[in-house]
Amino acid sequence: AQKVTQAQTEISVVEKEDVTLDCVYETRDTTYYLFWYKQPPSGELVFLIRRNSFDEQNEISGRYSWNFQKSTSSFNFTITASQVVDSAVYFCALSEAQRRVQGAQKLVFGQGTRLTINP
Amino acid sequence: DTAVSQTPKYLVTQMGNDKSIKCEQNLGHDTMYWYKQDSKKFLKIMFSYNNKELIINETVPNRFSPKSPDKAHLNLHINSLELGDSAVYFCASSQGRGTGSYEQYFGPGTRLTVT
Repeated sequence: AQKVTQAQTEISVVEKEDVTLDCVYETRDTTYYLFWYKQPPSGELVFLIRRNSFDEQNEISGRYSWNFQKSTSSFNFTITASQVVDSAVYFCALSEAQRRVQGAQKLVFGQGTRLTINP
Repeated sequence: DTAVSQTPKYLVTQMGNDKSIKCEQNLGHDTMYWYKQDSKKFLKIMFSYNNKELIINETVPNRFSPKSPDKAHLNLHINSLELGDSAVYFCASSQGRGTGSYEQYFGPGTRLTVT
């Protein structure tokens, strides 16, 4: 069964600190996809990144970076030099290739991590 | 232009009423979804349509009925509303063609409050 665990319910740091959000997943599929979404206080869900199971290269986008490690089934997200605008709930999600049905895919989300950046 | 839009943004209604939420996407995607986010922020898929055809139907009460008049629109009708239906409902869309798994783009959400 597919499952995503974000063990950190809430994190609070002071602005400019680096912070890492953990994501651990479970799947029996050999082909799967991992995602991160951001939900700011305004409530919308913003797509951040997609990673497939064959690509273990880490990714960096500005102050954001992602560390994908199949050996530990983890897909962690690091924000460098955090800013107040980074305050949001962050979700990690998983979809399995086997569960792709006629173009539709089932995204399974973790519980989310509420990140608060204090000035 | 908004990529995925939902109306209304807020919906307050009484138990037993019937209500609808509308969703439209202008991304040219083939696949659309409805998700429910509960008070603890947990997100769960409810339905998915691909080109107007129902593809994913999770264990959702029969009171919830999605309808897709065309591939750019997916509406959600809820009959006999109950207190437990209070949540934020998100519409999303993604590409459906080819292999792989594509990111889903979400609408702004509809906060439904049942009193």
